[in-house]
Amino acid sequence: DAGVTQSPTHLIKTRGQHVTLRCSPISGHKSVSWYQQVLGQGPQFIFQYYEKEERGRGNFPDRFSARQFPNYSSELNVNALLLGDSALYLCASSLAGALTYEQYFGPGTRLTVT
Amino acid sequence: GDSVTQMEGPVTLSEEAFLTINCTYTATGYPSLFWYVQYPGEGLQLLLKATKADDKGSNKGFEATYRKETTSFHLEKGSVQVSDSAVYFCALPTGGGNKLTFGTGTQLKVEL
Repeated sequence: DAGVTQSPTHLIKTRGQHVTLRCSPISGHKSVSWYQQVLGQGPQFIFQYYEKEERGRGNFPDRFSARQFPNYSSELNVNALLLGDSALYLCASSLAGALTYEQYFGPGTRLTVT
Repeated sequence: GDSVTQMEGPVTLSEEAFLTINCTYTATGYPSLFWYVQYPGEGLQLLLKATKADDKGSNKGFEATYRKETTSFHLEKGSVQVSDSAVYFCALPTGGGNKLTFGTGTQLKVEL
């Protein structure tokens, strides 16, 4: 079975641009979470979606938004990119919203903002 | 708020050495505790977990015991291999249980 997939693998953007990152969860998983991992630090929670509804939001500005589609895939959008948005963006899927269910992480998207 | 604190790295060991990576937590109640591992260029993998106090999680030779008296969840392995070289993260659920809060990570390098 395929694991969590993310696209693209890498991308380079310029300050002020917009970016869309995509995530496909494991088949049958209904919850998707997004994390930002800055180099040398632990992942920071951005969003959780379950059954297409936002269930949690971390301490990130409104430039960050996300959505979940009927097939449970998800997009993370970041507007007006800043240099500080350069990071590895991780997507995790689980069967349901509570963390009693194991979260499976994808390989991440490496975003570089110049 | 709830948080975890990990020992800083990098930790460099010779193959077959004993490993301990310290993790302490601050939380209300007794949440589940997790260790994740991140190999170079990859995402995170769940290594082991413990769901209640005094539980011992184990996987691939790694162990960690949930100790409420010392609010700790230290990761141990009796004999490390070069293939164990990675970054290890301690984590606990926060925000009502729908997100993970991670420590800063501890890089382990195992040499021959």
